[in-house]
Amino acid sequence: EGQLVESGGGLIQPGGSLRLSCAVSGFIVSRNYMIWVRQAPGKGLEWVSIIYSDSRTYYADSVKGRFTVSRDNSRNTLFLQMNSLRAEDTAVYYCARQEAPSDPIDVWGQGTMVAVSS
Amino acid sequence: SYVLTQPPSVSVAPGKTARITCGGNNIGTKSVHWYQQKPGQAPVVVIYFGSDRPSGVPERFSGSNSGNTATLTISWVEAGDEADYYCQVWDSSSDHWVFGGGTKLTVL
Repeated sequence: EGQLVESGGGLIQPGGSLRLSCAVSGFIVSRNYMIWVRQAPGKGLEWVSIIYSDSRTYYADSVKGRFTVSRDNSRNTLFLQMNSLRAEDTAVYYCARQEAPSDPIDVWGQGTMVAVSS
Repeated sequence: SYVLTQPPSVSVAPGKTARITCGGNNIGTKSVHWYQQKPGQAPVVVIYFGSDRPSGVPERFSGSNSGNTATLTISWVEAGDEADYYCQVWDSSSDHWVFGGGTKLTVL
């Protein structure tokens, strides 16, 4: 089924930048639809971004222009570059997989915490 | 943008049936998925494409989707079903993925 392991989270000041990584094993990142979903403390799930198998990318309005999703096919790894971070970006960030846009998200990582605070 | 509306909480006694709704404009025309999330854990899909159940999910979990409402039904509720439940769709008109606000299921 595959395994996803996120890393790169931490405490960052407002306005700062952070890059999250998601190391994938068991399936090929470039052949799947890879998603980032976040969850603020005590809140619900929020879709952040997706990269299609054909490299198209889409973003939630709340992060568009500040976050960039990418992948390294040679390392089978997904990334989320987060710039101009705000307090409201504080959340656990999950990477996950879909096999098609209308399919369920069937594989999830364990999540990495990002805290934006001065 | 497309919006999914769930009740914040549902409470049910053990052995009874819990129904969690997910409202959205013409949601019956979309592929709806339901996720269960327990504290400190990543979500897990329990129903996909409105009514399909992944292997390993008890038959007590079922789903329906029609008109403007999708419903997750949990029969013979057990204490272990206590969790947050989220519905999710792909809004193809905007290429946005949408989650409902989540419903906390409490087993009394």
